[in-house]
Amino acid sequence: EVQLLESGGDLVQPGGSLRLSCAASGFNFNTYAMSWVRQAPGKGLEWVSTIDSRGLRTFYADSVKGRFTISRDTSKSTLFLQMNSLRADDTAVYFCARHQATLNEHFQHWGQGTLVTVSS
Amino acid sequence: DIQMTQSPSSLSASVGDRVTITCRASQGIRNSLAWYQQKSEKAPKSLIYSASSLESGVPSRFSGSGSGTDFTLTISGLQPEDFGTYYCQQYNSYPYTFGQGTKLEIK
Repeated sequence: EVQLLESGGDLVQPGGSLRLSCAASGFNFNTYAMSWVRQAPGKGLEWVSTIDSRGLRTFYADSVKGRFTISRDTSKSTLFLQMNSLRADDTAVYFCARHQATLNEHFQHWGQGTLVTVSS
Repeated sequence: DIQMTQSPSSLSASVGDRVTITCRASQGIRNSLAWYQQKSEKAPKSLIYSASSLESGVPSRFSGSGSGTDFTLTISGLQPEDFGTYYCQQYNSYPYTFGQGTKLEIK
């Protein structure tokens, strides 16, 4: 069974940093592209970032480019999102998602999400 | 960026009804479209991919159609557990974009 478990969400002040993790199990982590998607309270889904299976290619939404960094550790089957210079509008539940296989495919499996709150 | 527009934004239907949700892309996306169901801002669930392929384990009352810019999600024979918010998403090109969502209420 595919399982994705996010962690690392917290209350952080504007300008602060946070690192989210997504522990994957039940599949060969090395062969799937992965993404982060967020949802602000009461709002819709917003794609944040994607990384290919080998960690060589990354993509970012304009709203986070230059502030967020996606990465993966194949030895730990874990996806990361390093978030710097956080702003109030980054407040959201952050979901990690596994693609069907490669980059240009849909999000087949999702984690339960972790809440990031940016507030002073 | 490709804009995805869903309609309606909300609807109320009865058990057994046939429900249709539409999604329009601001430019052609071939068949690179998925539909997701989300309940109470929990983890979204994939229903349909490649516009018309049913995700494994999803009931056959869900179906998708369309190509290019116009797409449809149909639920034939609505069930009580089908309440929630439905989102379309294009993955033809970055940035990936979602529709604004359609909230489905069961009468």
